[in-house]
Parts: sequence; structure tokens; C-alpha cells
Amino acid sequence: DTGVSQNPRHKITKRGQNVTFRCDPISEHNRLYWYRQTLGQGPEFLTYFQNEAQLEKSRLLSDRFSAERPKGSFSTLEIQRTEQGDSAMYLCASIDGTPYGYTFGSGTRLTVV
Amino acid sequence: KQEVTQIPAALSVPEGENLVLNCSFTDSAIYNLQWFRQDPGKGLTSLLLIQSSQREQTSGRLNASLDKSSGRSTLYIAASQPGDSATYLCAVDQAGTALIFGKGTTLSVSS
Repeated sequence: DTGVSQNPRHKITKRGQNVTFRCDPISEHNRLYWYRQTLGQGPEFLTYFQNEAQLEKSRLLSDRFSAERPKGSFSTLEIQRTEQGDSAMYLCASIDGTPYGYTFGSGTRLTVV
Repeated sequence: KQEVTQIPAALSVPEGENLVLNCSFTDSAIYNLQWFRQDPGKGLTSLLLIQSSQREQTSGRLNASLDKSSGRSTLYIAASQPGDSATYLCAVDQAGTALIFGKGTTLSVSS
């Protein structure tokens, strides 16, 4: 068990470009979450998967954002036509479906210039 | 709508002090409450999880309590050390679908 892995750790992109982040959860965890955190704020929920099914999406997840979890394993979060307001830390977390607590990855820091 | 508030927003103490971080939530219908630590520019590390049926949890120098009826939780840190310097986040799991976080308390422990 190597924990939740996120790649890349840092991403700098120009406004208008598309970016994709990857999250590899703990292998036996069936729920996977994406959160976004801006400076000085707590993380805010974006979306979550139960195995390969995307069960809930926040209003924060505009139509420029899309997330997938093919085969219920790793997940990707894509942002199209990035804007400066998308600059944030994107965090991934997984749990095993029972309320035993969330395990978070180290996050991907996105900077849109 | 559930709201989570953490007080104080920042705290500076000398090494060795015992301290208390506070977390309050507006809706007592929670599954559990979790305390996390976050170092600058890093992800979250889980410290303690308190189930809704529990009153407290302990891990080393950390003790977290939960009073659902009053919507409050406290994180007690004994004999603080410079290595405890970080932001501490409180989060409630209300519907089993997502955590709702406070803004955190940034702790600085000086040697």
C-alpha cells in the first residue's frame, strides 16, 4: 500500500490550454474523490466515483471540467480552456466505502498564467 | 447547508505549551468528523477520525473530542513541538458522499 498517488505534482499552463491530472487511489478503495483547494481555504468537493460510476458532481465543476475513472482504478481530471481562476491545488482522496476515514494524495498544484 | 468554522484562524505558541484548536459545525447530523494536518504546499495527512457515536479519539500527543449535540469538536495538542507547525483542518462527513472542510487553523510553534 503506497497511498494515494497524484501526478504531476506541479503544472504551469497558459490560459486557454487543456490540462489533465491523474490520481491512483489505494488499490482496494472503491470510492475516489476530487477536491479543489485555493489559498487560505479548506478543500472544496468537486466530484466522486464509486468504482467506475461518477455519482455526484459539485456546482463548482463547470462544463470545462471532466473526470473519468475507467475500470474503477485510476482517475483523471481534465480541465479544458483553462482560466486563471482555475489556479489551485487539486486533491484526490480515496476511501474503502466505509466511514473509516479518507486518505488524500499530495495534490497537483495548477498555475494558469 | 452544513458550514464548518475553525477558530482561531492562526495561533503562535512557544514550544512545550498545550493548546486547543476549535471546530464547530451547524448541522449535527454527521457520520463522522476527521482532523487533518497540512504542511505548506502539500496534501492532507489524516490525524484522527471520530465516528458519530464516539466522544473522543487519541493518538500520541493528540486528543480529539466530539460533541454532536452542540456541533463542536476540539483538537488538543499536548507539549507542542516546532514540528507541529502546520495548518490543521477539520472536516465533517455528513451524508457519506463528501467531506465539508473548515478553513483551517495555522499553527506556529517556536523553539
